[in-house]
Amino acid sequence: AQKITQTQPGMFVQEKEAVTLDCTYDTSDPSYGLFWYKQPSSGEMIFLIYQGSYDQQNATEGRYSLNFQKARKSANLVISASQLGDSAMYFCAMRERGGADGLTFGKGTHLIIQP
Amino acid sequence: DTEVTQTPKHLVMGMTNKKSLKCEQHMGHRAMYWYKQKAKKPPELMFVYSYEKLSINESVPSRFSPECPNSSLLNLHLHALQPEDSALYLCASSQDLRAGTGAGEQFFGPGTRLTVL
Repeated sequence: AQKITQTQPGMFVQEKEAVTLDCTYDTSDPSYGLFWYKQPSSGEMIFLIYQGSYDQQNATEGRYSLNFQKARKSANLVISASQLGDSAMYFCAMRERGGADGLTFGKGTHLIIQP
Repeated sequence: DTEVTQTPKHLVMGMTNKKSLKCEQHMGHRAMYWYKQKAKKPPELMFVYSYEKLSINESVPSRFSPECPNSSLLNLHLHALQPEDSALYLCASSQDLRAGTGAGEQFFGPGTRLTVL
């Protein structure tokens, strides 16, 4: 069974609009972390934002915020005021403390910002 | 310094060649990782080193041989690869979660694009 599900293979958004990228996850570990990474066409994975399973508030980092709904096992990324440079692949990932230290990634969403 | 460096950026090798990928970080991280990423797919974990010891090998074929000479360096030795091994190889590092601090976010290098002919 997939541990991380991203249901939007691709999205087209107008510049300056807000974007929500969906991510749902599956784990029985009470302690886990959720991450979002951006991967431009150059290939580098850029860390954007983190949400811990015990965090009471939604994480925010500049234009990025994470809409964490624990009961629904949902961790959607919100990008406010999108820019052309936001065009990239976006991956949701999970790290379970009780398990392997590596990250498990979703299949990704290819976001294209249009002028 | 919050950078992970990888060399080379591009590598083309034949199936009989032996080559090595190198990764370096100076953030004091004690966990380092190798991931393999095929085109239009997410990264897949290959190996995890924790405190210079191999802690996870995700059933990777023996033609891939990792090495961690010290806490800053991580190598991936390649021998007798197949064309299907062509991919982007990403190195990452993070604080060890046992340290109990931070999110343990992984910082990635720019990757090595490997082509096996």
